[in-house]
Amino acid sequence: NAGVTQTPKFRVLKTGQSMTLLCAQDMNHEYMYWYRQDPGMGLRLIHYSVGEGTTAKGEVPDGYNVSRLKKQNFLLGLESAAPSQTSVYFCASSYLVGGGRDTQYFGPGTRLTVL
Amino acid sequence: TQLLEQSPQFLSIQEGENLTVYCNSSSVFSSLQWYRQEPGEGPVLLVTVVTGGEVKKLKRLTFQFGDARKDSSLHITAAQPGDTGLYLCAGVYNFNKFYFGSGTKLNVKP
Repeated sequence: NAGVTQTPKFRVLKTGQSMTLLCAQDMNHEYMYWYRQDPGMGLRLIHYSVGEGTTAKGEVPDGYNVSRLKKQNFLLGLESAAPSQTSVYFCASSYLVGGGRDTQYFGPGTRLTVL
Repeated sequence: TQLLEQSPQFLSIQEGENLTVYCNSSSVFSSLQWYRQEPGEGPVLLVTVVTGGEVKKLKRLTFQFGDARKDSSLHITAAQPGDTGLYLCAGVYNFNKFYFGSGTKLNVKP
């Protein structure tokens, strides 16, 4: 099993360009998440999905869109990149255990720089 | 404003020393998780504490959840260089939402 994979690993964009980050998991997990990690800020939830075809906003959703057309894939889109979106992006997935006991499995991250 | 405050932000100690990392909030969580992250990798779950007052041990690591389920601590006994990394706490509430603290960067010198 590959677990959670993210594509690409690194990307440099110019302001105003668009791109899509791909997250794939092979663990048949229902839940998937996109986070961004900035120095001194920990991880902040951008969007999440509780199942195929569903998405919901997290803590910092502005400037991002997501889609979950297939259970194993969760896409994060930037329509018009801004320098403030320079960050490391992590995808995670989890299965429902309940009672706050869910374990999130994280991908290796995508380092995005917006010039 | 951080929902979860972690302290200290940075910690540099010698091998063999003990240390404690704190995770505090004014909010009540259904559970609290601790993760460890190495450079260039995603966080990896260490433990989940659910019940107020709960204590869990993982070899030299001891995790405690506050009685009111608002705070937690991580204590490492006889730290080793292999413990070096970023330690993150995450509060879980509202079904499946995770809020992360800003992290404690630990460096254990040989």
